[in-house]
Amino acid sequence: NAGVTQTPKFQVLKTGQSMTLQCAQDMNHEYMSWYRQDPGMGLRLIHYSVGAGITDQGEVPNGYNVSRSTTEDFPLRLLSAAPSQTSVYFCASSYTSGGLYEQYFGPGTRLTVT
Amino acid sequence: GENVEQHPSTLSVQEGDSAVIKCTYSDSASNYFPWYKQELGKRPQLIIDIRSNVGEKKDQRIAVTLNKTAKHFSLHITETQPEDSAVYFCAARLGTSYDKVIFGPGTSLSVIP
Repeated sequence: NAGVTQTPKFQVLKTGQSMTLQCAQDMNHEYMSWYRQDPGMGLRLIHYSVGAGITDQGEVPNGYNVSRSTTEDFPLRLLSAAPSQTSVYFCASSYTSGGLYEQYFGPGTRLTVT
Repeated sequence: GENVEQHPSTLSVQEGDSAVIKCTYSDSASNYFPWYKQELGKRPQLIIDIRSNVGEKKDQRIAVTLNKTAKHFSLHITETQPEDSAVYFCAARLGTSYDKVIFGPGTSLSVIP
């Protein structure tokens, strides 16, 4: 299993550009989430999904869109990049079964908006 | 709204001493409380977790306690080693039919040899 994969690892955008951060998992997990992590800060939830076709907003959803057309993929779209979106973005997938729960993080995408 | 607070923000201990990090959460519907360790430039890694029906859990040098009434939980690391130096995050998961995990701001732990 590759676990949770994210592409690209690094990206530089100009203000106003749009792009999609890719996230995929091969563990057949129901749940997937996107977080951003700013220097010296914790992870803030952007959007999350409890299954294909179902998404919801987290703590900081403005400026981002998501969709979940398959169980495996959960792309994050930046509609019009702003310098305030410079951050490290982590995707995570998780499962729950019989009272157990575990969340796995991808390696992250470092995004710089100039 | 949902919120997780974490203290202290930085912690420095001598090798062999204990370290304690405390978190509080706001939403009483929270039912699962993981702790993550993040080394510089790497992804968060789960180190221990506790569920709302358990008061304490231990795994070798690491233990976590939960007080549901007071809505706070703590991480205890005993016999600290230099490799324990990292940023530690607490988190709280809300609900069971949806998957919303809110993180605390993190504690930077330094273990001095």
